[in-house]
Amino acid sequence: DAGVIQSPRHEVTEMGQEVTLRCKPISGHDYLFWYRQTMMRGLELLIYFNNNVPIDDSGMPEDRFSAKMPNASFSTLKIQPSEPRDSAVYFCASSSEGVYGYTFGSGTRLTVV
Amino acid sequence: QKEVEQNSGPLSVPEGAIASLNCTYSDRGSQSFFWYRQYSGKSPELIMSIYSNGDKEDGRFTAQLNKASQYVSLLIRDSQPSDSATYLCAVNEGNTPLVFGKGTRLSVIA
Repeated sequence: DAGVIQSPRHEVTEMGQEVTLRCKPISGHDYLFWYRQTMMRGLELLIYFNNNVPIDDSGMPEDRFSAKMPNASFSTLKIQPSEPRDSAVYFCASSSEGVYGYTFGSGTRLTVV
Repeated sequence: QKEVEQNSGPLSVPEGAIASLNCTYSDRGSQSFFWYRQYSGKSPELIMSIYSNGDKEDGRFTAQLNKASQYVSLLIRDSQPSDSATYLCAVNEGNTPLVFGKGTRLSVIA
């Protein structure tokens, strides 16, 4: 099993640009989570999906953030327009047992300059 | 607002000693408790889960849960330099997503 696959690993972009982060969950997992990690705030849940349906997006900080899961094997997190305060590591995680036993992807380190 | 609190550390212990990591949580309805290890620049990986009061042992790791005190701990016996990492406590209630603490940085000195 290849695990949860995220791309890109690193992204440097200029303020105001659109950024798209991608995630491929483990095959058969029916839950997918997007977290953001910073030194100040730790790991924060942004949004999660169950069977491709968004369940709770209350953690999405602003309307600039959007997430989709068009099928069971792919999800995107988009930031438009990006701002320097969006700089963080964004993790995708998936689970097959409700919300137990998450497997995290390797993360995307986003830097907005 | 559900909160999970951890001492940020760093917690420094000599090689071979017992490292004790602690976590408190605010939601009395929490039912499941997890410890994740995160090496610098890497993603969190699950090392222990515990669901009922008492101790749960797995190799050199022991998780302890006291729901009355809303307290979870992780003991690492015979600490090794390779155990140096940040340890994240996470809790949830039912099918709700995990809420993570900010983590405790552990440094094992050879």
